[in-house]
Amino acid sequence: GDSVTQMEGPVTLSEEAFLTINCTYTATGYPSLFWYVQYPGEGLQLLLKATKADDKGSNKGFEATYRKETTSFHLEKGSVQVSDSAVYFCALTAGNQFYFGTGTSLTVIP
Amino acid sequence: NAGVMQNPRHLVRRRGQEARLRCSPMKGHSHVYWYRQLPEEGLKFMVYLQKENIIDESGMPKERFSAEFPKEGPSILRIQQVVRGDSAAYFCASSRSGANNEQFFGPGTRLTVL
Repeated sequence: GDSVTQMEGPVTLSEEAFLTINCTYTATGYPSLFWYVQYPGEGLQLLLKATKADDKGSNKGFEATYRKETTSFHLEKGSVQVSDSAVYFCALTAGNQFYFGTGTSLTVIP
Repeated sequence: NAGVMQNPRHLVRRRGQEARLRCSPMKGHSHVYWYRQLPEEGLKFMVYLQKENIIDESGMPKERFSAEFPKEGPSILRIQQVVRGDSAAYFCASSRSGANNEQFFGPGTRLTVL
């Protein structure tokens, strides 16, 4: 069935370090792909999305490219900040459902 | 434009009691989704509803759990005879149209079963 696998955490980085959180997917059709972020005690917020192959989603310095050939949608940021500390979820839509990864906790230390 | 609203934010129940979780979607949104997040786990889809209709309930346990989205009022997720394993955060999301569109999430209801 359709699914998302993302890099396990937790991830701890120093401020201004480069971030990559890996996400791969399995889908029978042509899903849309998303990254959501969850700050402590809050619900999920959409960070970025891509709806077709080779699309690049970007927001707040974060980027992810929809790679059909590698079935991946890795999240990257060139220079993380303390305020980026949160849990990041990769997700895809297929049919009526969203499928979420298990989440990757990121802590950025000053 | 108010976001997705969920209440209560925290709910404590004893084993065997009923839990009712409410979700008001964003204005103009007629699609509602419920998810459960267990500690240290990701979100698991439970049910997808449109006004007065259940579209997909494949992620919802067959027993004790039910959901509705009436013509008027919020969507309700109801858990009867709660057990400790039901303790989790329950998130509601809404979208303007179908599931391939962005879903906007509420702050969640954290259910604790004693």
